[in-house]
Amino acid sequence: GENVEQHPSTLSVQEGDSAVIKCTYSDSASNYFPWYKQELGKRPQLIIDIRSNVGEKKDQRIAVTLNKTAKHFSLHITETQPEDSAVYFCAPKYNTGGFKTIFGAGTRLFVKA
Amino acid sequence: NAGVTQTPKFRVLKTGQSMTLLCAQDMNHEYMYWYRQDPGMGLRLIHYSVGEGTTAKGEVPDGYNVSRLKKQNFLLGLESAAPSQTSVYFCASSTLPPEGEQFFGPGTRLTVL
Repeated sequence: GENVEQHPSTLSVQEGDSAVIKCTYSDSASNYFPWYKQELGKRPQLIIDIRSNVGEKKDQRIAVTLNKTAKHFSLHITETQPEDSAVYFCAPKYNTGGFKTIFGAGTRLFVKA
Repeated sequence: NAGVTQTPKFRVLKTGQSMTLLCAQDMNHEYMYWYRQDPGMGLRLIHYSVGEGTTAKGEVPDGYNVSRLKKQNFLLGLESAAPSQTSVYFCASSTLPPEGEQFFGPGTRLTVL
């Protein structure tokens, strides 16, 4: 089946600290694992993604790690800043008679200055 | 390029009324999606399309219909609106899977009284 679980649902950190958000997916997920950021009142936008043939990918302060055996991938934000405050969604693609994306429920990140 | 656009931005309906939401993209993407986002929840897939002339059901298709007569347009219809359909609706498009960043429209805020 298609199942996506995201934890935690809310995360509060002090500016400069690191934040980690985890996403667990089920067997029928395909090979593409993205993370989207949604600021208040705005549309979701891709911030980083990873393919299944790669274990880790970094882009400045943001990184994504993939554990295919355990079926989860994680978003890591280092040196957090107030502008990182937003809702973050994992969105693995599932191939069930046509590719579709299933979004996690989201993690609301608060970065306190 | 305008990217993904949605019409209208806001709409208030009475129970039982019908309406159509229009999504247009100018990126020549094959895949298009309709999501709804309720407060404190993630994005739930309503319907999607893998190409011109095709449609498929997502997680929450009941009460909605879609059409993809032209590659660049994806229409979402509500035949008889209900208060439970009060939500923010996002349209998205992407290149061919299994990879493919989703590009979102700005959203349509729909209230059903």
